[in-house]
Amino acid sequence: QKEVEQNSGPLSVPEGAIASLNCTYSDRGSQSFFWYRQYSGKSPELIMSIYSNGDKEDGRFTAQLNKASQYVSLLIRDSQPSDSATYLCASQGRGGGSNYKLTFGKGTLLTVNP
Amino acid sequence: EAQVTQNPRYLITVTGKKLTVTCSQNMNHEYMSWYRQDPGLGLRQIYYSMNVEVTDKGDVPEGYKVSRKEKRNFPLILESPSPNQTSLYFCASRPGTAVEQYFGPGTRLTVT
Repeated sequence: QKEVEQNSGPLSVPEGAIASLNCTYSDRGSQSFFWYRQYSGKSPELIMSIYSNGDKEDGRFTAQLNKASQYVSLLIRDSQPSDSATYLCASQGRGGGSNYKLTFGKGTLLTVNP
Repeated sequence: EAQVTQNPRYLITVTGKKLTVTCSQNMNHEYMSWYRQDPGLGLRQIYYSMNVEVTDKGDVPEGYKVSRKEKRNFPLILESPSPNQTSLYFCASRPGTAVEQYFGPGTRLTVT
């Protein structure tokens, strides 16, 4: 059973701080990793994708991947109250068929306090 | 505008009354999925389809049916809904080999 684990939180940070969200995955065959943001009652929205070891930066967001440790993280710099949401980590295996499936973690609730 | 639409957005029904939740995408995506989301359990895949007439079970398929007769549509059918199917349902689509998955707005279903 492929699993993606996240700390459920809540993670609370002050406005302007760095929020650090972490995720581990069980399937060593996973090739692609994604971070989704989900506001309460809304649909998930893709904010970052990462496919190779190292860091990937996009604006205030940095995704980090370490395949040897089976670990993915998301850093949010200069956190804003509008970043308050649940963040979902997802992984995808290689190849076709059921490997197109995204396996989601249960999400981490982030609260940014003004 | 590229989008995934679902209908209805909200539905309250009674046990055993058959219902269908429609899902449609206008992006010519091959791959479509249905998920349910429950507190503490996260997003769980119900069924997926890799193309027209190609569907397969996800993690929690019991009590659900799907069909994919046209590329753009992927309806979710509950033949005999039960209270444990009360949940928030999302349809999603993505191109066959690309990565971004687009989610619909969600359908909140309550079965009494």
